[in-house]
Amino acid sequence: QKEVEQNSGPLSVPEGAIASLNCTYSDRGSQSFFWYRQYSGKSPELIMFIYSNGDKEDGRFTAQLNKASQYVSLLIRDSQPSDSATYLCAVKKTGGGNKLTFGTGTQLKVEL
Amino acid sequence: GAVVSQHPSRVICKSGTSVKIECRSLDFQATTMFWYRQFPKQSLMLMATSNEGSKATYEQGVEKDKFLINHASLTLSTLTVTSAHPEDSSFYICSATLAGEVQETQYFGPGTRLLVL
Repeated sequence: QKEVEQNSGPLSVPEGAIASLNCTYSDRGSQSFFWYRQYSGKSPELIMFIYSNGDKEDGRFTAQLNKASQYVSLLIRDSQPSDSATYLCAVKKTGGGNKLTFGTGTQLKVEL
Repeated sequence: GAVVSQHPSRVICKSGTSVKIECRSLDFQATTMFWYRQFPKQSLMLMATSNEGSKATYEQGVEKDKFLINHASLTLSTLTVTSAHPEDSSFYICSATLAGEVQETQYFGPGTRLLVL
């Protein structure tokens, strides 16, 4: 089992729709969870982080965390073509210091 | 704020030569810097963790004598790929954490694309 798992996609959604990106992790004691966006050929950029169960909203983005199910998701409302990218889930594991373990990413395509 | 730069953005070198990549935190002091490598269509793989004034901690399978890391100050870390070979061709990305930030978010540099001929 991978430490951080994401569906590689591509996930295709029409413009204006809600995109739902999912991530599961294996270390039950993980504390912090991050979502990064990576455009092709570019480095990752932080979208948001979450460390408490529940929802956290930032503009069109909502992160959802369920530690009991070891599941974190990212919702993108009113998806735009410019949201087309690979979304990386990253987890800070217990005892890992401030290292992040990344999933392989989900490719999102927002279609006109 | 929290801007990280890398230099050079891309480099082409001959097999057997050494290449140095710089990572700088421009507007903050970085507690820790990280070096990653990313091959095409793969995720980021952590190579090493670098703290100012101390030796870097390398991940399993990463040769410390081949990938030399120097963290001379709170704003600068360098990665030197020694005796580079074609299989070292990759996208090298650094990140830095902001001193004093509770969640210790990693802010990424723009990356350096290395091609070894």
